[in-house]
Amino acid sequence: NAGVTQTPKFRVLKTGQSMTLLCAQDMNHEYMYWYRQDPGMGLRLIHYSVGEGTTAKGEVPDGYNVSRLKKQNFLLGLESAAPSQTSVYFCASRGRTGGYYGYTFGSGTRLTVV
Amino acid sequence: AQSVSQHNHHVILSEAASLELGCNYSYGGTVNLFWYVQYPGQHLQLLLKYFSGDPLVKGIKGFEAEFIKSKFSFNLRKPSVQWSDTAEYFCAVSTNTGNQFYFGTGTSLTVIP
Repeated sequence: NAGVTQTPKFRVLKTGQSMTLLCAQDMNHEYMYWYRQDPGMGLRLIHYSVGEGTTAKGEVPDGYNVSRLKKQNFLLGLESAAPSQTSVYFCASRGRTGGYYGYTFGSGTRLTVV
Repeated sequence: AQSVSQHNHHVILSEAASLELGCNYSYGGTVNLFWYVQYPGQHLQLLLKYFSGDPLVKGIKGFEAEFIKSKFSFNLRKPSVQWSDTAEYFCAVSTNTGNQFYFGTGTSLTVIP
């Protein structure tokens, strides 16, 4: 099925560990985004990419790095996880004209840092 | 910077009651407006959108929203809610020139059977 796939779906990390979240889309979308969702704070943009090889910071980029080496993949990395990064992470994508059509979201990754 | 405000954080209704969720945004230019729904444990799904034309927009599952430009508002409505409407609702705004969407903090709706 076409859409946005996130892996893994769940993960528990110890403080200081590193990990990479993978987002893959098969809709040939140019734009990809990483959000975190926390209770009472809605969705906050971490990083985004407007095309292969490009990335930009969002609202809450600290502690995260991203890469977009291939158009269909957008990776979110945590180099040294902290409890404050416990959250649900959503990836989203849209096409070039997607300002009209909205995002397509992945199913989320629930990350707990202990 | 653009911002989106959802003033109702948590709404509790009985089945068959009418629903209106408020959404206000701050941006003076042309905007595209969206409502997303997130059912428990699931990802966000598009409920309805507005980008031009009739300011009264109809979406899925009997939802509608009205764009009032003078009030910078895009309120979501449903005449009669069902238990299955229990979810979190997010308003979002995008601009034609921007690269990102701006989301409100969400409204949690609980419908009591």
